Amino acid sequence: RKEVEQDPGPFNVPEGATVAFNCTYSNSASQSFFWYRQDCRKEPKLLMSVYSSGNEDGRFTAQLNRASQYISLLIRDSKLSDSATYLCVVFNYNQGGKLIFGQGTELSVKP
Amino acid sequence: ETGVTQSPTHLIKTRGQQVTLRCSSQSGHNTVSWYQQALGQGPQFIFQYYREEENGRGNFPPRFSGLQFPNYSSELNVNALELDDSALYLCASSFSGTGDSPLHFGNGTRLTVT
Repeated sequence: RKEVEQDPGPFNVPEGATVAFNCTYSNSASQSFFWYRQDCRKEPKLLMSVYSSGNEDGRFTAQLNRASQYISLLIRDSKLSDSATYLCVVFNYNQGGKLIFGQGTELSVKP
Repeated sequence: ETGVTQSPTHLIKTRGQQVTLRCSSQSGHNTVSWYQQALGQGPQFIFQYYREEENGRGNFPPRFSGLQFPNYSSELNVNALELDDSALYLCASSFSGTGDSPLHFGNGTRLTVT
């Protein structure tokens, strides 16, 4: 079983749609959680951290459920510029400082 | 503020050869991590360096080795290249390796092994 698993995608949605990405992680001792965004043939960039109480940044909302070991990202009012691969990322300090990435979910927003 | 820079951007090598990839960390950052990203996959952690010492390692064989220099720049060396080593190699720097400091990635080096 992979340490971090995401919806396989791709997601194809029209502009203005709401889309949700799901992610599960296997290590219950994981301490920090993030969503990164990666554009085609570019490097990953931090989109947002994910906090236990849930957090919002504009059109983006992240949720964490530690009991279920589940992370989500909701994008409201999708824009063409949201088209990218979204990577779910988990950190456990006891695993030598590494971030563990999911395989990514590709989003394509169409006009 | 200078971002993370990697060189070269693209590289083609033959199976069995050796390769060195380079990374200059963002100014003020003392931690460098290296990741391998195969096509269609998320980045996989290779190792991390903090103040010139290896600070953690992923499931990669010993032919993957690294260095960090006093100016916090870093090298990734891969010996005896295999076809499966073809991937995008990403360097990321941060202020610390504790996970609460965001990673800043370079543009990557795309390695092709033939």
